[in-house]
Amino acid sequence: KAGVTQTPRYLIKTRGQQVTLSCSPISGHRSVSWYQQTPGQGLQFLFEYFSETQRNKGNFPGRFSGRQFSNSRSEMNVSTLELGDSALYLCASSLEIGFRQFFGPGTRLTVL
Amino acid sequence: DAKTTQPNSMESNEEEPVHLPCNHSTISGTDYIHWYRQLPSQGPEYVIHGLTSNVNNRMASLAIAEDRKSSTLILHRATLRDAAVYYCILNGRNTGTASKLTFGTGTRLQVTL
Repeated sequence: KAGVTQTPRYLIKTRGQQVTLSCSPISGHRSVSWYQQTPGQGLQFLFEYFSETQRNKGNFPGRFSGRQFSNSRSEMNVSTLELGDSALYLCASSLEIGFRQFFGPGTRLTVL
Repeated sequence: DAKTTQPNSMESNEEEPVHLPCNHSTISGTDYIHWYRQLPSQGPEYVIHGLTSNVNNRMASLAIAEDRKSSTLILHRATLRDAAVYYCILNGRNTGTASKLTFGTGTRLQVTL
């Protein structure tokens, strides 16, 4: 089975812009979670989607949003980018909620 | 979320066993103990998880204290490829709640020849 794929792998944006990141889960996995990783804050949970519904949300501002499609693919969007949004954004999929998670390689976002 | 405490870093020689400790004194009865590791420039990968009994798989063993307030991840023969940050995470798997993993700072394992 193919692993979790994330596109793009690298992205450079400027402050004030918005960005959309994409995640394709492992085939058959219905839960997709998103995490942000920075040197200062480490790995932090953003949100989780299951059956196209957001099931849990981390402590991030409303500029961070996401969605899940009927084929379980997920996107996350960050509007009005700030310098502090520069990070590695990781997507993880699992069969069901609470099951073992499989992580993708991440999207490295740099905000200038 | 129940918290875990791990040493910041550990060192091991190649081919030697490694015991990575984790304290979780506020663990609840429904919390599973998960271990993930993150190799350089990669996303985290699952290592092992358990509830009460010790667990073994091809990657590692997990020893859980009788009172469940601590656990130890055991790599039986460390290799250079095991150099990574190891995270001990509590997750209430069967509660029907979210998959949210709360990562701490983890233990950075260095393996030397």
